[in-house]
Amino acid sequence: GIQVEQSPPDLILQEGANSTLRCNFSDSVNNLQWFHQNPWGQLINLFYIPSGTKQNGRLSATTVATERYSLLYISSSQTTDSGVYFCAVEAPGNTGKLIFGQGTTLQVKP
Amino acid sequence: NAGVTQTPKFRVLKTGQSMTLLCAQDMNHEYMYWYRQDPGMGLRLIHYSVGEGTTAKGEVPDGYNVSRLKKQNFLLGLESAAPSQTSVYFCASSRDPRGPSNQPQHFGDGTRLSIL
Repeated sequence: GIQVEQSPPDLILQEGANSTLRCNFSDSVNNLQWFHQNPWGQLINLFYIPSGTKQNGRLSATTVATERYSLLYISSSQTTDSGVYFCAVEAPGNTGKLIFGQGTTLQVKP
Repeated sequence: NAGVTQTPKFRVLKTGQSMTLLCAQDMNHEYMYWYRQDPGMGLRLIHYSVGEGTTAKGEVPDGYNVSRLKKQNFLLGLESAAPSQTSVYFCASSRDPRGPSNQPQHFGDGTRLSIL
């Protein structure tokens, strides 16, 4: 099956710093989503981005489907950005099944 | 608009007990999913449904059963709970992924289940 690898596994930032999280996947996919899991365990949709670039405030994401990777950019990080960031890909087959990476745990210090 | 609602939020069971987790969505979504999340890991798909009356196995289906009698509800059952099923369970729903673009999955807040 498709393998999803995220890097780095852990990241510590000072408030105000920028960061880039990476998601590599091993095969062609139908779509890709980025999620933020907050300290209360809730999964928040960040981006639905099978290809191209999208921006939402201080966050942006780019997926290069032909090269099988996606990047999540966080600019001017805030303590509320802390949590785990997951990348998930939908395998071909139109079932909508998502395959998750292991996540990147981000801690933003004040 | 509540989105995806899971009940209960927390539960402690003894080995061998049975229980049912309920997922309800009010977005008229066709597709629904049950995932589990174990410590330090991403979510793994247990079962899913592509419409009312249908269910299918995901990546880790053993020990679980599901039913989709109504479009808005997706039930996950544990017939004989085992300690290995201690986990956080997430339900999600989406429109038909074969439809127009932008069909993200929407997740509930999770059910934290402990099996002693």
